[in-house]
Amino acid sequence: DAGVIQSPRHEVTEMGQEVTLRCKPISGHDYLFWYRQTMMRGLELLIYFNNNVPIDDSGMPEDRFSAKMPNASFSTLKIQPSEPRDSAVYFCASSPAGGDQSAQHFGDGTRLSIL
Amino acid sequence: SQQGEEDPQALSIQEGENATMNCSYKTSINNLQWYRQNSGRGLVHLILIRSNEREKHSGRLRVTLDTSKKSSSLLITASRAADTASYFCATRFSGGYNKLIFGAGTRLAVHP
Repeated sequence: DAGVIQSPRHEVTEMGQEVTLRCKPISGHDYLFWYRQTMMRGLELLIYFNNNVPIDDSGMPEDRFSAKMPNASFSTLKIQPSEPRDSAVYFCASSPAGGDQSAQHFGDGTRLSIL
Repeated sequence: SQQGEEDPQALSIQEGENATMNCSYKTSINNLQWYRQNSGRGLVHLILIRSNEREKHSGRLRVTLDTSKKSSSLLITASRAADTASYFCATRFSGGYNKLIFGAGTRLAVHP
């Protein structure tokens, strides 16, 4: 079974540009999570979805960040306009359910550099 | 601040030795999970321990949980060079949202 798939693996762009990160969760998983990892702040939860519906977006840093999940097999995280402080590794994860089934499966991340 | 905090921040040992990492948290939890992250990769789930469990084993891994002290430990026995990675604990709150709060991690280096 394929794991969580993220694209692109690396993105380098200039400040002010729009950035779109993509994620395909594991088939059958009801939950999808977006995280950001930096040396300074560690791993931060940005937003998560249950059955394609956003449940908690309290970690989204600013209105420049938005996330969608149009169907069970695809999600995007968009930054517009991007800023140098958005540089980080962004991870997508999925899990089958809550409670004892809440172990999360992570993709290998998108390393984003904003110049 | 983060719910889970690991200690030590970094650990360096020789192959064959045991490695122990600790995690403390602040509020009531439903379960606690440990993950491993190899350089340049995503996190990989290792083990989950429920709040009503005290100890759990998986291969060379042993996890303990003390809810009265709000702490957990991960023991890796007979370590191997391939165990070199960062290890994170993550806590799931009791009730409410199905989300995990990750600690800052312990960087483990196992030398051949």
